[in-house]
Amino acid sequence: SQTIHQWPATLVQPVGSPLSLECTVEGTSNPNLYWYRQAAGRGLQLLFYSVGIGQISSEVPQNLSASRPQDRQFILSSKKLLLSDSGFYLCAWSVRLYPSPLHFGNGTRLTVT
Amino acid sequence: AQSVTQLDSHVSVSEGTPVLLRCNYSSSYSPSLFWYVQHPNKGLQLLLKYTSAATLVKGINGFEAEFKKSETSFHLTKPSAHMSDAAEYFCVVSLGGTSYGKLTFGQGTILTVHP
Repeated sequence: SQTIHQWPATLVQPVGSPLSLECTVEGTSNPNLYWYRQAAGRGLQLLFYSVGIGQISSEVPQNLSASRPQDRQFILSSKKLLLSDSGFYLCAWSVRLYPSPLHFGNGTRLTVT
Repeated sequence: AQSVTQLDSHVSVSEGTPVLLRCNYSSSYSPSLFWYVQHPNKGLQLLLKYTSAATLVKGINGFEAEFKKSETSFHLTKPSAHMSDAAEYFCVVSLGGTSYGKLTFGQGTILTVHP
């Protein structure tokens, strides 16, 4: 069966510090991978998606970036965090065929202080 | 363009009573529709999905949803609420056409279950 791992579960970082969140998927090959952000009182916002190694599409301009160094590894990064980067970050995967639901990790609660 | 509207931001029920969470969608194409549940500080879990097969879809934990094209609705129901159902629920619409299906999430409905 497929599993998705996301870490860390919680993170408190000062403004201006770097960020690296990691997500890995097991039990499947060539998945689509996604990073979402869920801010308090707001819905889910798609940040990045990837259909293959090194292929990243950005949905919204921001100071975050994503990378996919391996087929089942997806990393969310920032060089300098802003207060507005606080939120709940969710990694998800799906198979390539449509229609395919998303399968989410347990999320990372990021607080920028 | 596609959109999804969850008609209630909060729903409160008593344990053992029916649950109804309402969702309306707008789509120019034949959509796929999903319901997800999110418990506090957890990821989203898929409850059920509609993909143009049977219009009445059964999901996990006793939930089901009915796709009504004429009403552009996909309401989530459960005959008898359980305390463990307290969570936030998201209705999601997806269009096809490519290997990446763009998903649109509703704003969520928080379900409270009273003893």
